[in-house]
Amino acid sequence: EAQVTQNPRYLITVTGKKLTVTCSQNMNHEYMSWYRQDPGLGLRQIYYSMNVEVTDKGDVPEGYKVSRKEKRNFPLILESPSPNQTSLYFCASSIGQGWYEQYFGPGTRLTVT
Amino acid sequence: DAKTTQPNSMESNEEEPVHLPCNHSTISGTDYIHWYRQLPSQGPEYVIHGLTSNVNNRMASLAIAEDRKSSTLILHRATLRDAAVYYCILRRPSSNTGKLIFGQGTTLQVKP
Repeated sequence: EAQVTQNPRYLITVTGKKLTVTCSQNMNHEYMSWYRQDPGLGLRQIYYSMNVEVTDKGDVPEGYKVSRKEKRNFPLILESPSPNQTSLYFCASSIGQGWYEQYFGPGTRLTVT
Repeated sequence: DAKTTQPNSMESNEEEPVHLPCNHSTISGTDYIHWYRQLPSQGPEYVIHGLTSNVNNRMASLAIAEDRKSSTLILHRATLRDAAVYYCILRRPSSNTGKLIFGQGTTLQVKP
């Protein structure tokens, strides 16, 4: 089944403890992206990647890192999480140029205390 | 990015067609019209997209006005599973970021 998977789905952590949220897609998509969703603010793009080793900042990249060493994986790294990064995170992938159809993962609900 | 306007909520009966409107009077010539939906506790789901001509796929149809200032997403037979927030989004393919800007959307209720 074609899908985007994220792990973990739920995570409660403490301020400053490094964490990684994994994202993997099995559709051989070139383009991948991370969003966060907050009440009243909609989805905001954190980082995106157009190919292996090609990543760029979205609208809210502060406090986040990403890497794209393989086509299928696009992990989101929080080096020193803070409470304002408590949010619902979505990974998305798209087949290529134009981003016409984006396929989203099920989401990761992160709470930082 | 050009702005879209959608009703906050709509209701439908199961098995009946649903027409979800979207106004985008400031759309530019290269903007594509995309529709996504988000079911409760799930990630957004791609529904359909189009530029000028009407489009059909297995999920829905997209009717685009001749002047492109409005469009309508048509669900031919609503099911309970179609209850979700539907987002109408404009995007230019030339934008490399792929960023989708989700507005308030239309919350669709489907009654049995």
